[in-house]
Amino acid sequence: GQNIDQPTEMTATEGAIVQINCTYQTSGFNGLFWYQQHAGEAPTFLSYNVLDGLEEKGRFSSFLSRSKGYSYLLLKELQMKDSASYLCAVMDSNYQLIWGAGTKLIIKP
Amino acid sequence: DTAVSQTPKYLVTQMGNDKSIKCEQNLGHDTMYWYKQDSKKFLKIMFSYNNKELIINETVPNRFSPKSPDKAHLNLHINSLELGDSAVYFCASSQELARVTDTQYFGPGTRLTVL
Repeated sequence: GQNIDQPTEMTATEGAIVQINCTYQTSGFNGLFWYQQHAGEAPTFLSYNVLDGLEEKGRFSSFLSRSKGYSYLLLKELQMKDSASYLCAVMDSNYQLIWGAGTKLIIKP
Repeated sequence: DTAVSQTPKYLVTQMGNDKSIKCEQNLGHDTMYWYKQDSKKFLKIMFSYNNKELIINETVPNRFSPKSPDKAHLNLHINSLELGDSAVYFCASSQELARVTDTQYFGPGTRLTVL
């Protein structure tokens, strides 16, 4: 079966750095997405990785290792507005997005 | 202008009723999707439409029927609503299904509560 695993919840301090991990087992691989979802709102796109390595975009970076079936989202200089759920999703060989349940990130002052 | 819009935002109804949720995108995308997000926050794809043709149906009960009058609209009709249908339903769109770099843009969601 297809499976995406992420921690259910993480807590971090404002101004700090946090890394959210995602491991996956899917039928084929056509890229991995990270989305941010604030409570009661729709998911919004953060990043896309299809090759191994680190993609940096401002305070957010995303890393992929295809051989390990592993990705992480790194958030630097955390702000209170970063409190949200972070969803990992993998596009399989049928171009279907398989979603994780999301990691709820709580930022404390 | 809202890129992907859904109506209504909230829907409360009785078991056994029939209801519809509307979705429209003004991005000129070719593919639209319906997702169900349950209480555990999993996003489960229900349908996707590409150029007005259904291309994915993930073992969704046939009480759910998507209707696409044109490529900018994908409505979701639900017959004989059950308690387990209570969830948030998201509409999304992307340029093409097979272009892997295309992200999906989500509507604001419709929170359906079945009593």
